[in-house]
Amino acid sequence: GDSVTQMEGPVTLSEEAFLTINCTYTATGYPSLFWYVQYPGEGLQLLLKATKADDKGSNKGFEATYRKETTSFHLEKGSVQVSDSAVYFCALSELISGSRLTFGEGTQLTVNP
Amino acid sequence: KAGVTQTPRYLIKTRGQQVTLSCSPISGHRSVSWYQQTPGQGLQFLFEYFSETQRNKGNFPGRFSGRQFSNSRSEMNVSTLELGDSALYLCASSSGRGNEKLFFGSGTQLSVL
Repeated sequence: GDSVTQMEGPVTLSEEAFLTINCTYTATGYPSLFWYVQYPGEGLQLLLKATKADDKGSNKGFEATYRKETTSFHLEKGSVQVSDSAVYFCALSELISGSRLTFGEGTQLTVNP
Repeated sequence: KAGVTQTPRYLIKTRGQQVTLSCSPISGHRSVSWYQQTPGQGLQFLFEYFSETQRNKGNFPGRFSGRQFSNSRSEMNVSTLELGDSALYLCASSSGRGNEKLFFGSGTQLSVL
C-alpha cells in the first residue's frame, strides 16, 4: 500500500537558518503530494502541493519539488523564522475521486531566536 | 467564511462507553473526512463522506462509524471504547473533487480512562 516516510525529528534551528525536511513516498500509481503544517492546538493547514512530476509547490517561502525518479518531495525554506515552529506533515493522495490522505510521521520544527 | 467546526473540543470517557463527535464543514463543502491522530500511529484516515454516502474507508474496526446529514454536517461514533481509542480526532472538509486542498478543524481530544 501507499506510505510516506519523513526524516526523524525533532529539528531545532536558529532563526534565519536553512531548512530541509526530507520526505519520500511509496505509491502504486501517480499520487498528488502535499505538505501540511500543524501549529500547537490547531488542526492541519495546507502549506503547498504538487500534482505531477517536476511540479514545484511554494508558499510563504517554503518550496518542494515533486521528484518522480527519486520518489521524493523534500520541503525547503531558505530562512526560517520563530513563527515557523510547528509540526510538518508530508502526505500523498492517489484518489481521483474523493479524498484520502496518507501522512508521514510528522517532523517537529523548533526555531530559536 | 466560517471554518470547520468540531464539537466538543475535549471529551473524557471510560472504557466500554460510546461517544459521538460532530463536525460542521465549511459552507458549500460536500465532503467530510475523519482522521485519528495519536503519538504512536500518527495521522490515520478513518473515512470520508460525500453527499450523505460513505465514499472511502480506512482500516479501522466496525466500532468506528460515521454518517453525514443533508446539510453536510457529519458525526462520528465510536462504540465500546478502548484505552487505545484515546486520540485527537480531526475532521476535514472539501468540495469533494479529488486531490484538492482539505480544510481541517481543530479536532476533538478524546481521552478514554
